[in-house]
Amino acid sequence: GAVVSQHPSWVICKSGTSVKIECRSLDFQATTMFWYRQFPKQSLMLMATSNEGSKATYEQGVEKDKFLINHASLTLSTLTVTSAHPEDSSFYICSAPGQGASYEQYFGPGTRLTVT
Amino acid sequence: GENVEQHPSTLSVQEGDSAVIKCTYSDSASNYFPWYKQELGKRPQLIIDIRSNVGEKKDQRIAVTLNKTAKHFSLHITETQPEDSAVYFCAAQSGGYQKVTFGTGTKLQVIP
Repeated sequence: GAVVSQHPSWVICKSGTSVKIECRSLDFQATTMFWYRQFPKQSLMLMATSNEGSKATYEQGVEKDKFLINHASLTLSTLTVTSAHPEDSSFYICSAPGQGASYEQYFGPGTRLTVT
Repeated sequence: GENVEQHPSTLSVQEGDSAVIKCTYSDSASNYFPWYKQELGKRPQLIIDIRSNVGEKKDQRIAVTLNKTAKHFSLHITETQPEDSAVYFCAAQSGGYQKVTFGTGTKLQVIP
């Protein structure tokens, strides 16, 4: 089956620094990937759609200059949280759509970000 | 955009009883409705899904029903077991390669 990985699985950074999260499709190509954020005891909220070879599409209220997305290849999308603050602490999850007729999304294992 | 409402937010049932979670969606363009189980700190796990051209789907103890006219869909878990305890999310999607809009989640507790 389709596998999506994320790295790192958890990261602690200091306020004001930047942190990069990688999302990889391991056995399939993904021209589109999605980035979600999940705060404790809340649902997953879409932050942005990552498109290979073009600019990401951000959801309303998500600062594109703060959450930089780069989809440089058909198997890799990165999310960089710039000038991180404690309120950015969250669980970040990426997903990639299935292939062919499948509508299923394949989720990465998530990255727990803690900003101190 | 799509809005998915889910209830109840918490649900406690005795082991062996049934559990029902209900969702409504707003966008008539949505045509794929997956249900996810999420354990603490883990990724959402697809447990069952249904497309809009189907009214009901069953997989062992889990079933999903869809009323496209009313924009309602529901998850039914029968013969619940303690390992069914988790947070469940309904979701809606308007086809392949499209973003997933999640419901607010239901924390299910199965009491042994």
